[in-house]
Amino acid sequence: GAGVSQTPSNKVTEKGKYVELRCDPISGHTALYWYRQSLGQGPEFLIYFQGTGAADDSGLPNDRFFAVRPEGSVSTLKIQRTERGDSAVYLCASSLTGTVYNSPLHFGNGTRLTVT
Amino acid sequence: DAKTTQPPSMDCAEGRAANLPCNHSTISGNEYVYWYRQIHSQGPQYIIHGLKNNETNEMASLIITEDRKSSTLILPHATLRDTAVYYCIVPVTYSGGSNYKLTFGKGTLLTVNP
Repeated sequence: GAGVSQTPSNKVTEKGKYVELRCDPISGHTALYWYRQSLGQGPEFLIYFQGTGAADDSGLPNDRFFAVRPEGSVSTLKIQRTERGDSAVYLCASSLTGTVYNSPLHFGNGTRLTVT
Repeated sequence: DAKTTQPPSMDCAEGRAANLPCNHSTISGNEYVYWYRQIHSQGPQYIIHGLKNNETNEMASLIITEDRKSSTLILPHATLRDTAVYYCIVPVTYSGGSNYKLTFGKGTLLTVNP
């Protein structure tokens, strides 16, 4: 079946611009996660949604980063006034219920963001 | 939060078993151990998870010691396509203990050689 889809796969933007990254989770998955991965590092947690609400946004680095999931399915990660340090691969994951017992995360292949 | 320790890299010959160790000495009684892997330029892929008992699926086996302070992921017949970074993770659970998030370390780079 269809997995987690992220668009675009690559995004190049100039410093100071605004970008939106989209995530289409697996249909029916209630939990959705955003991660950021820099070169040579493991993925770093940004935010977790359970349904429409952000249950944990403690990983967002500053107020330039914002994410929404208005209807409990598709999510958008928004970055204002981009900086060169924002360059990374942004990963999205979803899970059926978000429960640790039996609901593993399924990841997309990410959006590679390059800020020039 | 239970932290995990993994060797930075390992090598394995194609067709042989790959045994990837993980230490999680501070794990508490109700915390799970999850394993993911990440092949170059792809998102992480779920492999297996367990609480106390050994687990096996079509991808791998997970052996958890009786004291739960360490575990081993076993790929029984490694292929070149198994070359990846393998992450051992003890998830952070939210209040109520059910919902969770994964905190990734640097993992183990497994290289399968022909």
